[in-house]
Amino acid sequence: AQSVTQLGSHVSVSEGALVLLRCNYSSSVPPYLFWYVQYPNQGLQLLLKYTSAATLVKGINGFEAEFKKSETSFHLTKPSAHMSDAAEYFCAVSEASSGSARQLTFGSGTQLTVLP
Amino acid sequence: EAGVAQSPRYKIIEKRQSVAFWCNPISGHATLYWYQQILGQGPKLLIQFQNNGVVDDSQLPKDRFSAERLKGVDSTLKIQPAKLEDSAVYLCASSSSDQAAQYFGPGTRLTVT
Repeated sequence: AQSVTQLGSHVSVSEGALVLLRCNYSSSVPPYLFWYVQYPNQGLQLLLKYTSAATLVKGINGFEAEFKKSETSFHLTKPSAHMSDAAEYFCAVSEASSGSARQLTFGSGTQLTVLP
Repeated sequence: EAGVAQSPRYKIIEKRQSVAFWCNPISGHATLYWYQQILGQGPKLLIQFQNNGVVDDSQLPKDRFSAERLKGVDSTLKIQPAKLEDSAVYLCASSSSDQAAQYFGPGTRLTVT
């Protein structure tokens, strides 16, 4: 069975500071891993995904994440926070289900606050 | 390319009433998912369709929830009768059978009073 743990339900950073959102996963097979962002009253938007290619994945809005198998981690980073980054971030893991369609298991989310 | 469409965006009903949500996935996406997102939690999968067939509905409370995707395109999720604990955002997502990523609609926020 697959699971995701996001460490820290709330993270605050100053504008211009490094953003680090932590995600650890558990999976019985090589996983696919995702980060989604959710702005208030909106659906989830895909930031980036890891699908067994390069371990350092670059996404939209300057975010990137590194897959570390030995640590079962997939932490999300951004060198310099912007006010517009304030949102909730979800890490998700998927394993193959029927055919090639995959089911996602989400973490409980991390609310990012960016301070001026 | 148009994204996943959902309606209504907001719905308020009283307990024991019924409600239905509609989803139109991205054109050509064979797989469609319904998720329930309770405030402060990550989305939880309710049901997954592949074309017009159900792949997984193990977490769907079948005594009150039902879903269909009759023509393999748009889908409807129904709750009858609603309970207070059904208050949540209901998200629809779709994916191509050739891709791993799911793309989400804006969701329907349901409040049961």
